[in-house]
Amino acid sequence: NAGVTQTPKFRILKIGQSMTLQCAQDMNHNYMYWYRQDPGMGLKLIYYSVGAGITDKGEVPNGYNVSRSTTEDFPLRLELAAPSQTSVYFCASSYGPGQETQYFGPGTRLLVL
Amino acid sequence: TQLLEQSPQFLSIQEGENLTVYCNSSSVFSSLQWYRQEPGEGPVLLVTVVTGGEVKKLKRLTFQFGDARKDSSLHITAAQPGDTGLYLCAGGGGGADGLTFGKGTHLIIQP
Repeated sequence: NAGVTQTPKFRILKIGQSMTLQCAQDMNHNYMYWYRQDPGMGLKLIYYSVGAGITDKGEVPNGYNVSRSTTEDFPLRLELAAPSQTSVYFCASSYGPGQETQYFGPGTRLLVL
Repeated sequence: TQLLEQSPQFLSIQEGENLTVYCNSSSVFSSLQWYRQEPGEGPVLLVTVVTGGEVKKLKRLTFQFGDARKDSSLHITAAQPGDTGLYLCAGGGGGADGLTFGKGTHLIIQP
């Protein structure tokens, strides 16, 4: 199993550009999450999904959108990139909610200039 | 909003020493997880504690969940350079909405 994969690994965007961060998992997990990690700030939840076709906002959803058309894929869309969105983005998945182990991808480093 | 405070933020010690990292909150969590993250990688789960007062051991690492399920500690005995990394605690509320993470403790073990 590849686990959780993320692409791209690194991207530089200009202000106002848009992009999609890809996330896929091959563990047949229903639950998927997007976090951002800023230096010294820990991980903050952007969006999550409990299954195909179901998504919900996390703590910091503004400026982002998600979709979940399949169990495997959970892309994160940035429509109008802003410098405040410079961060490292992690996708994670789990079998269930709460105390279930979350498996993280390697992250996407995004720089908005 | 539930918050998790980790201390210390940074810790640099010599190989062979013992250390304790703390994770505190004013909120009750249904579970508490500890993750370790290395540079350029995503966090990897070390342990999950769910019962107040629970103690779990993972080789030289000892994890404890407070009786009131508001705090946790990670104790490392005879630290080794391979223990170097960012240690994150994360609280679960029991729902589907992900975990609440602390800011982490950066640990450096010098040979």
